[in-house]
Amino acid sequence: QQPVQSPQAVILREGEDAVINCSSSKALYSVHWYRQKHGEAPVFLMILLKGGEQMRHEKISASFNEKKQQSSLYLTASQLSYSGTYFCGTDYGNNRLAFGKGNQVVVIP
Amino acid sequence: DTAVSQTPKYLVTQMGNDKSIKCEQNLGHDTMYWYKQDSKKFLKIMFSYNNKELIINETVPNRFSPKSPDKAHLNLHINSLELGDSAVYFCASSQFINQPQHFGDGTRLSIL
Repeated sequence: QQPVQSPQAVILREGEDAVINCSSSKALYSVHWYRQKHGEAPVFLMILLKGGEQMRHEKISASFNEKKQQSSLYLTASQLSYSGTYFCGTDYGNNRLAFGKGNQVVVIP
Repeated sequence: DTAVSQTPKYLVTQMGNDKSIKCEQNLGHDTMYWYKQDSKKFLKIMFSYNNKELIINETVPNRFSPKSPDKAHLNLHINSLELGDSAVYFCASSQFINQPQHFGDGTRLSIL
């Protein structure tokens, strides 16, 4: 069962902050975040584990709320290089990741 | 050095043909995957192998057959190609199941 990512798209100016979310209807073992730039392969950002701490990749951080079965990705002081589609992959303990449909992020000067 | 390499990068062929995509990883990972990304960018797992053993076989038509000759290679053979097979196919690898995955650059398959 795939997670639901929201909002579908975000446009922000360089230096602004944004939050994107990944929600599941089932209990999760972990959440993985990837970023894919246009025409390129997805690139791993971070894993959030059950009971684990908030994680960080450069100025991008993420949290995992086990009770809400939700992970949030915080884009702080956004840079042009943050543009891309962010995918969350949810691990339900069944040997695979279920990817959401992605959050498209566009950072403009 | 390329960590996960796929060939070919582009594949344009006619309906009904048979084609193969090759994938190799030099990271020493135990697990390899095939994903399909359609025009709506939805990334869907097709197959996963761990140490040459098939562990995930999603509801994929049996025209698609993966083969893993060793743990560094995972190839995908597709028979009787159909229009709906047009997509980008990504190979990925990870140390263990559900560890960070490294993706290849993708193979863009177009069916005429």
